[in-house]
Amino acid sequence: AQKITQTQPGMFVQEKEAVTLDCTYDTSDQSYGLFWYKQPSSGEMIFLIYQGSYDEQNATEGRYSLNFQKARKSANLVISASQLGDSAMYFCAMREVYNDMRFGAGTRLTVKP
Amino acid sequence: DTAVSQTPKYLVTQMGNDKSIKCEQNLGHDTMYWYKQDSKKFLKIMFSYNNKELIINETVPNRFSPKSPDKAHLNLHINSLELGDSAVYFCASSQGLQSRDIQYFGAGTRLSVL
Repeated sequence: AQKITQTQPGMFVQEKEAVTLDCTYDTSDQSYGLFWYKQPSSGEMIFLIYQGSYDEQNATEGRYSLNFQKARKSANLVISASQLGDSAMYFCAMREVYNDMRFGAGTRLTVKP
Repeated sequence: DTAVSQTPKYLVTQMGNDKSIKCEQNLGHDTMYWYKQDSKKFLKIMFSYNNKELIINETVPNRFSPKSPDKAHLNLHINSLELGDSAVYFCASSQGLQSRDIQYFGAGTRLSVL
C-alpha cells in the first residue's frame, strides 16, 4: 500500500527565509504523481505544485519548488522568501495510476515576523 | 466563479438525523471525490465518481451514500448520523483518473454531530 511520510509535525521559519518541508513516499509503481497542498487556518485545500515520476526536472511554481529525488523516494517542498501568509498546514500526497490519492499527516508551518 | 463549491460550509445536527452535503464543479472535470478530514487533520478518500460511475468505495459505512445527478455534481447523503461522523468533509474534482490529474478541492463542510 502507498505510504506518505511527513516527519515534521511543525516547523518554524523566519519571514523572508527559505524553508524545506520533508516528504518521503513508498511505492513499487514506476508511474505516479506527487502533489503538495496548503491548508490555511480558514480550512480550504489549495493545490500548490505537481511532480510526475518521469519528469526529469524539478517542478517550480513561483516561490514553490519541489526537490524530487526519485532514488530516495523523496519529494520535499521548498518555499523561498517565506511570507506571513505562508503559515498553514502543508500536505504531501501521491497518486499511482488508477489508484486513489494518499495524503501524509501534514506539517504545520509557522512563519515568524 | 468558484471552481469547486460545496454547501453548506457548516452543519450542526443531532445524532440520528439524516443530512446531505452538496458539491458542484464548473471545471468540466470527469471525476469527483469525497474526502473526510478528521480532528487530527488526516485526509482519507471516501468515494470517487468517474463519469457518474462509482469507482472507489473505501470501507465507508453504508450510512454514507454518494449521489451524482450529472458529472458536475456529487452530493453526499449521510443517514443516522453518529458522533464519530463529526469531521470536515471535502469535495474535489479532477480531469480524470491519471496520476498526473490534479485534484481541486472545495472549501470543506464542517459537520458537528451533537
